[in-house]
Amino acid sequence: NAGVTQTPKFQVLKTGQSMTLQCAQDMNHNSMYWYRQDPGMGLRLIYYSASEGTTDKGEVPNGYNVSRLNKREFSLRLESAAPSQTSVYFCASSDPDRAGNTIYFGEGSWLTVV
Amino acid sequence: DAKTTQPPSMDCAEGRAANLPCNHSTISGNEYVYWYRQIHSQGPQYIIHGLKNNETNEMASLIITEDRKSSTLILPHATLRDTAVYYCIVRAASSWGKLQFGAGTQVVVTP
Repeated sequence: NAGVTQTPKFQVLKTGQSMTLQCAQDMNHNSMYWYRQDPGMGLRLIYYSASEGTTDKGEVPNGYNVSRLNKREFSLRLESAAPSQTSVYFCASSDPDRAGNTIYFGEGSWLTVV
Repeated sequence: DAKTTQPPSMDCAEGRAANLPCNHSTISGNEYVYWYRQIHSQGPQYIIHGLKNNETNEMASLIITEDRKSSTLILPHATLRDTAVYYCIVRAASSWGKLQFGAGTQVVVTP
């Protein structure tokens, strides 16, 4: 049982380049999330998908787009990367039908924009 | 979501129990207490959560006071691999994705 899997784990981009972070979960969860974590800032929610076919903005959505490809997969796209998007990105999932709606995280994707 | 207060750091001897306190005096009736930990360079790892009753799983036990204003995470037999930052979070299950990670408690397990 892999849980939440993210790819790639490390990526270096030049300013203005685009890329997509991939995320898949095998826990049959309805909800999926993308966060970024910066030193001293804690976790900040970028986008979330409450269920397949829906997506909503979180706290810091500017510069990002998402796609809920199916129940398992939720991708995050940077259309024109900026140095301010250098961060660690975490994908997560949860099952709102279970008591507590606990959120489970992937191992993270380290992105550097130069 | 209610705010939590945790001690900044704690040391624990390997093999002993680690008791991590958390204050959440403004918790609401529909808010759960969650514990996560983050080992350097890894994703946050879910440990346990509870609403009113004490909870136990294979990783830890969670003791919630009767007034729900504080709780304690217990790691029964700490190992070196338990060295991490531990976060106590209070949130309603309906608050989509919102997780306010505070500063947490840096736990160092020593041989």
